[in-house]
This record gives sequence, C-alpha cells and structure tokens, in this order.
Amino acid sequence: AQSVTQLGSHVSVSEGALVLLRCNYSSSVPPYLFWYVQYPNQGLQLLLKYTTGATLVKGINGFEAEFKKSETSFHLTKPSAHMSDAAEYFCAVSGNAGGTSYGKLTFGQGTILTVHP
Amino acid sequence: DAGVTQSPTHLIKTRGQQVTLRCSPKSGHDTVSWYQQALGQGPQFIFQYYEEEERQRGNFPDRFSGHQFPNYSSELNVNALLLGDSALYLCASSLAMGLAGSYEQYFGPGTRLTVT
Repeated sequence: AQSVTQLGSHVSVSEGALVLLRCNYSSSVPPYLFWYVQYPNQGLQLLLKYTTGATLVKGINGFEAEFKKSETSFHLTKPSAHMSDAAEYFCAVSGNAGGTSYGKLTFGQGTILTVHP
Repeated sequence: DAGVTQSPTHLIKTRGQQVTLRCSPKSGHDTVSWYQQALGQGPQFIFQYYEEEERQRGNFPDRFSGHQFPNYSSELNVNALLLGDSALYLCASSLAMGLAGSYEQYFGPGTRLTVT
C-alpha cells in the first residue's frame, strides 16, 4: 500500500519569500512522485515529477523538488513566491512501471498556499 | 490541441438516482483514470481504463462503474446515489501504462456533482 502525508494544510508566505511545502510518502516499491497544483474551480496541473535518475527535479513556474529516499520525502520549493502561486498543492505517489500500483495515483490531503503582498 | 474535456460541468441529482459523467482524453492518449475529490480532500482513485477494459480499481463500491469506447473516451456511472457521493469528479488521461518513463496524467476540469 502507498500513502502520502503533506505536513501543514495551510502555508502562508510573503511575496518574494521562500516557499517550502512538505511531502512524505510511504511505498513498498520504488515510487514515482508528483506535485500537482489546483486553482479554484479547476482541475489539477502537473508541476513536476520524479521517476528515475536525478533526484532534484525542476518543474514549471520556478518550482523544484528533491527526492530523498532515506527520508522518504519529496518536498516542493520555490525561491521567491509570487502572488500567482496562491493555490492548493497536492503531492502524489504511484508505483513504478511494471508494478501493480503503476498508473494509480495516491494523493495527499493538499496544502493551501497563501501569498501575502 | 485540446486537453482533457469533461461534461457536464455541474450536475445536481437526488438520492437514489443514477448519473453518467463523460470524459474525452487528451489527443494521443489511450488511458483514462477517474478520481473523486470530496470537499477539502485530495483526489481518490476510482478506476482506470485501457483498451476498453478496467485495469485497476480503487476502494469504491460496485455502484461505481465505467466504460471506455474505441475512441478512448470514457464514462463514469454511479448508481443509487448517496449524499456522500457529492464531490468533484476528475478524469485524467495518459499514455499506455507500458511506456515507462513517459508516464504523466493530465487532468480535466472536473464535474461537480451535488446529491440532495
């Protein structure tokens, strides 16, 4: 079974400040990891993903995340927050190719990011 | 290039009724997954269709069923609606599961279902 825990249901930062959204996962197999963003009344947009290879992955809109196997973490960061970053962010895990949970995304509960001027 | 589309946008049903939601995948995609997102929660996996067959299923009762058509579009059917079925239903499309390394799910805007 797989699970995702996002620490902090709400995170508030000032414009220009560092954004750090935390995600820890549990998986019995090497995971694929994802961060999605959801704006109000919209679907989910993929920010970035980790499947294999380099553990530091860069995504859209200046976001990046680092896969740390020893810590079972995949925290999302952005050096300087912008007002347009205000949204809800979801971390998700799936099994890797060939595994029984491949293709099934398990999501965390989400973190609402608020950006103050 | 059209992304994932879903219809209808909003729907209001009464307890005990049946509902059908529709999804058209992103051009070139052949796999469709459905998720339920209750208010204030993360999406939960319902099932996935590939080659017109249900390939994986989450922890949802048999009241939830689906179908995939030869053009890869998909329907989600929910019978005997309960108040707890009120949620945003998201459809996601992707390439075939066997293409390791190319795996990404693209989500549609969702259908907001309200059961009264």
